Amino acid sequence: KNEVEQSPQNLTAQEGEFITINCSYSVGISALHWLQQHPGGGIVSLFMLSSGKKKHGRLIATINIQEKHSSLHITASHPRDSAVYICAVSSNTGTASKLTFGTGTRLQVTL
Amino acid sequence: DAGVIQSPRHEVTEMGQEVTLRCKPISGHNSLFWYRQTMMRGLELLIYFNNNVPIDDSGMPEDRFSAKMPNASFSTLKIQPSEPRDSAVYFCASSGAGSLADTQYFGPGTRLTVL
Repeated sequence: KNEVEQSPQNLTAQEGEFITINCSYSVGISALHWLQQHPGGGIVSLFMLSSGKKKHGRLIATINIQEKHSSLHITASHPRDSAVYICAVSSNTGTASKLTFGTGTRLQVTL
Repeated sequence: DAGVIQSPRHEVTEMGQEVTLRCKPISGHNSLFWYRQTMMRGLELLIYFNNNVPIDDSGMPEDRFSAKMPNASFSTLKIQPSEPRDSAVYFCASSGAGSLADTQYFGPGTRLTVL
């Protein structure tokens, strides 16, 4: 079982729909990251959070530490939101830190 | 700010050749990360530096890979000798503080093809 699991793997939505992408992890973490990778390949860090909720424009990220679960929500989705969304967790293993990535959720928003 | 700069953007080489990928982090950032992305394995952290010092290189796949950061504004990832299975996109990222828990800024990546 992967340490970081994302669902769904693929998601198609119509413009305007509310979208939720989920991330579950099995290790103790110091922080969780949401990344966006556009079709051209560039990666942008959307959020870094260790508790609660963060909002940036139409994007909202939440995390439940007890349940080891995070969600990324997109309100009023738009075709330009089409991208791969990647969840990553940073965790401490003894004296070293480790960054583990989910396999990504491919989102396609159509008109 | 120009963001994280990587060069070259594309590299095609033959098996057995030496490959050097370059990265210039955002000015003032003191942490630098090298990642590899493939279809099969997704994104993987290879190595990261704090204040030019390698902190964790456990993700480096084997001795053919080496990374250096001679100063705060430059890092290299070298593969010698290269193999077809090294074909991937290699990303460099930097952050302003010395922890994997901090927001990272990614470069555009170098797409490496080893024939």
